[in-house]
Formats: sequence, C-alpha cells, structure tokens
Amino acid sequence: EDKVVQSPLSLVVHEGDTVTLNCSYEVTNFRSLLWYKQEKKAPTFLFMLTSSGIEKKSGRLSSILDKKELSSILNITATQTGDSAIYLCAVIDSGYALNFGKGTSLLVTP
Amino acid sequence: DAGVIQSPRHEVTEMGQEVTLRCKPISGHNSLFWYRQTMMRGLELLIYFNNNVPIDDSGMPEDRFSAKMPNASFSTLKIQPSEPRDSAVYFCATGAGTGVTDTQYFGPGTRLTVL
Repeated sequence: EDKVVQSPLSLVVHEGDTVTLNCSYEVTNFRSLLWYKQEKKAPTFLFMLTSSGIEKKSGRLSSILDKKELSSILNITATQTGDSAIYLCAVIDSGYALNFGKGTSLLVTP
Repeated sequence: DAGVIQSPRHEVTEMGQEVTLRCKPISGHNSLFWYRQTMMRGLELLIYFNNNVPIDDSGMPEDRFSAKMPNASFSTLKIQPSEPRDSAVYFCATGAGTGVTDTQYFGPGTRLTVL
C-alpha cells in the first residue's frame, strides 16, 4: 500500500492562476516531508518540512505541513509556463530513505 | 561543485547483457542512494549506502541487481542479466550529514532501454 499519496494526479491551469497540490502520508515515526520539482530531468529540491519547520516560502511557492492531518500542501501563485512540471512529495520515516508519491503533473498554459 | 555525476546518460542493450551504471557523489556527501523511475511505479528506492556501507537493499528487485560502493567517490549498480522490464531511468542521489540525510541531491539519471 502506498505510504504517500498525491492529488490531483494531473492539473491544467492558465498562466496567472493559483494552484494547490496535496500530499498525504501514512508512515510511522515521521521525520520530514520534502517537495521536489521534476521537469524532463532529475528531481530538484524545493522545500523540506519538519516538526520544527511546518511552513516554508520561496517566491511564488509556499508549503505547509499539517502533522495532525498527516498532509502537506504546495501552493503556487501567479503560475507561469515555466512551472509546468511533475511535483513530487516524499516523506522520510524512521529510515533514511525517501518514500515518494506518484507525483502531480502540472501544465500551465499561456 | 559539479553535482552528482552519472554515466552513461543513455544505455541501450539487448536482453541478457550485463549493464553497469556509475555514480560519482558530491564531494563530502556520505550517503548515496540508487533509485529507479518508471511511468507505472514512479520513483522507487533500490539501495542506499552510508559511509560506503550498504544500509538497506530491500528495494533491490532480485538477485540480478547488485550495487557496490568501493570508496567514497564512486558507486556502481549492475544488472546481470538485463531484461526488458528493467527499462527505466536510474537515478543516483547523495546527501550530507551524520547518517541521516533529509535532503538528497539527484544526478541527471541514466536512461536504460533493454530490448
């Protein structure tokens, strides 16, 4: 059974729209949650959220961790075509490795 | 720093052949991870090393897969014999820390096609 579930699986928006991507998880001994952006290459790191850092912001992107609901959201405001990518959520539990969700494919149209 | 270096970037081989993928971690990073990504299964962890020692290889699909890290600057993932279902993008990722790596930096990946 999947430990990390992302929704929606895909999303198409117009430039300028605001989008919210969701990630829910079910792991024992949660350590941290990470968001990555993947275009036609390797994932690149966006944010890391932990119990001591539940909200992060960088430019038009922001993310919040809800430990009670075991979930996180990634917000992108004023979307641009360059935001088109697959956004991956990953959770680290008591081990070292990242448990990835299947990702949300975002397409921003001009 | 050049980042994580992987080679080759693309590999096309025939079923039954041996395939060796290579990874050079970021200098100073002591954790190294091998992942496989397919459309069907997404990103999956195959194995990870800490200070050159394999810590968890439970993700290695079967005995045809093996990984080594002979020193801090080099790791290999070998598939022998390869099968068409091994076709995927294989990523190497590395991280720094005292054994617990919360941020991992990915290499560009090796796209493997097994005919």
